[in-house]
Amino acid sequence: EAGVTQFPSHSVIEKGQTVTLRCDPISGHDNLYWYRRVMGKEIKFLLHFVKESKQDESGMPNNRFLAERTGGTYSTLKVQPAELEDSGVYFCASSPGLAGEETQYFGPGTRLLVL
Amino acid sequence: AQKVTQAQTEISVVEKEDVTLDCVYETRDTTYYLFWYKQPPSGELVFLIRRNSFDEQNEISGRYSWNFQKSTSSFNFTITASQVVDSAVYFCALSPQGDNFNKFYFGSGTKLNVKP
Repeated sequence: EAGVTQFPSHSVIEKGQTVTLRCDPISGHDNLYWYRRVMGKEIKFLLHFVKESKQDESGMPNNRFLAERTGGTYSTLKVQPAELEDSGVYFCASSPGLAGEETQYFGPGTRLLVL
Repeated sequence: AQKVTQAQTEISVVEKEDVTLDCVYETRDTTYYLFWYKQPPSGELVFLIRRNSFDEQNEISGRYSWNFQKSTSSFNFTITASQVVDSAVYFCALSPQGDNFNKFYFGSGTKLNVKP
């Protein structure tokens, strides 16, 4: 069974540009999460989808970030326009959404560098 | 407040030494889960263990063991007879089962270097 995949693995953009990150969860997982780790700090929650609906977006930094999950399958996270402080590693995770199945399975992350 | 503290930023040991990675958490929720993840150089977060707040039994899996103590709000991770392949960043995470029960709170990670 394929794990969580993320694309691209790395992205280097200039301040003011737009970047779109993609996450494909484990097949059949209703829950999808985005997290971010800024240089050397803790991994922080951004938002949570249940199928195509946003369940919790309390961690989104500001309105330059837009997450979507069309059809409840893959998800995209767009940053527009990117700022220097957006640099970091963006992780996606998924979980089945069943009671007793709270473990989140993470992808390899997308390393974003804004210059 | 929900918080996880991993006070050890980086640890270096020589192969075959035992090493303990500390994790202290804060939560007001009575029901919660605790996790450890390993991040090898390849970057992905690999799930190691999940513990719920009602199960304080320690767990052993091969060279890995976990010590959960609610009295001190700690969930420490010990690697016995460390190997070079154990070199990675290790993250402790808390999942409170209150209102936002699907949100994980991570510590800042402990980088473990195991030298041959």
